[in-house]
Amino acid sequence: GENVEQHPSTLSVQEGDSAVIKCTYSDSASNYFPWYKQELGKRPQLIIDIRSNVGEKKDQRIAVTLNKTAKHFSLHITETQPEDSAVYFCAARSAGNQFYFGTGTSLTVIP
Amino acid sequence: DAGVIQSPRHEVTEMGQEVTLRCKPISGHDYLFWYRQTMMRGLELLIYFNNNVPIDDSGMPEDRFSAKMPNASFSTLKIQPSEPRDSAVYFCASSLQGAFGETQYFGPGTRLLVL
Repeated sequence: GENVEQHPSTLSVQEGDSAVIKCTYSDSASNYFPWYKQELGKRPQLIIDIRSNVGEKKDQRIAVTLNKTAKHFSLHITETQPEDSAVYFCAARSAGNQFYFGTGTSLTVIP
Repeated sequence: DAGVIQSPRHEVTEMGQEVTLRCKPISGHDYLFWYRQTMMRGLELLIYFNNNVPIDDSGMPEDRFSAKMPNASFSTLKIQPSEPRDSAVYFCASSLQGAFGETQYFGPGTRLLVL
């Protein structure tokens, strides 16, 4: 089956700096890669996603890149703000529509 | 659309009691997933359904756990008997199959505490 690894597990950045979270996957048949943000006590919520036919996608301060050859994808947050502090999960959707999640990155943005 | 609905939002019970968690997926979604989240183990997939049929229940920890989906708009996750180590947040999520698939949408979760 699919195996998703996520790094780093914790990340602290100064407000205004950029944050990058990286994930790797093992199954070349995986074709959809969402990123979720989970605030304390809340549900995971989709913030951005990318499909396997695209190499990069951007939405305001958030961008995701996908390298299918290397089987890795990354989340980039620019101009970080305190409200970006949360746990971020990457996921890979297998051909059978099962989602495999990374172990999460706890991001802290220091004002 | 109200999104994925879960009930109860909080449940406190005593060891040995039966616990039933409920989920209503987003209308039209044909996949339903049950997850358990703890600090120690992160987000774990327990079971998922496609068109009301269980596809993979390999994540169900043991026979004390069972899940059903009697129709497209309702699913239950039952723990009988419950144990303190079952304390966690249980999320239900649903998605729609497409050419590339669509993302999962999570419910608000049920916080279960077994004393």
